[in-house]
Amino acid sequence: DAGVIQSPRHEVTEMGQEVTLRCKPISGHDYLFWYRQTMMRGLELLIYFNNNVPIDDSGMPEDRFSAKMPNASFSTLKIQPSEPRDSAVYFCASRTTADTQYFGPGTRLTVL
Amino acid sequence: AQSVTQLDSHVSVSEGTPVLLRCNYSSSYSPSLFWYVQHPNKGLQLLLKYTSAATLVKGINGFEAEFKKSETSFHLTKPSAHMSDAAEYFCVVVFGNQFYFGTGTSLTVIP
Repeated sequence: DAGVIQSPRHEVTEMGQEVTLRCKPISGHDYLFWYRQTMMRGLELLIYFNNNVPIDDSGMPEDRFSAKMPNASFSTLKIQPSEPRDSAVYFCASRTTADTQYFGPGTRLTVL
Repeated sequence: AQSVTQLDSHVSVSEGTPVLLRCNYSSSYSPSLFWYVQHPNKGLQLLLKYTSAATLVKGINGFEAEFKKSETSFHLTKPSAHMSDAAEYFCVVVFGNQFYFGTGTSLTVIP
């Protein structure tokens, strides 16, 4: 298995632009998680899905952030409009009902 | 309430000497506990996990951790540090579907 796949690996954009981050979980995993990692705040859970349904989005910082999971093999995290304080590394992770999460390599987002 | 505390934000050791990264947790129930490692510009990789079986857990790359309920600790150790061990290490408490991450310990290995 290729593991969790994220794209793009790096994204540089200007303030106000829309940003879409993509994730393909490991096949057969029914939980998907989005995290954000910054030096100041460490690793934060943004949202997670179970069987494509959002279960807890309390970590989503504000309405500019949205996440979807249209099917079991794909999820997106969208930021619109983006702001410089959104600059971070965004990780996607997946797991089965067993509790080990497997992380993707991350997307490093820079908003100028 | 569940929480996890990594007692050291930075640890420096000489190559070939033992490594000790400390982690304490708070949980109302018997938790699952994990250690993840993150190398520079990489994602998080599972090192080892404890899920109420043997209290001494062996992981990859020679790391191990011991679950001590009386001390609510899950410290990570390795007998002899290698240069490739330099990374950020995260202790994680799992309760239900929630992962509670520690703030991380940055390990530096001095040649």
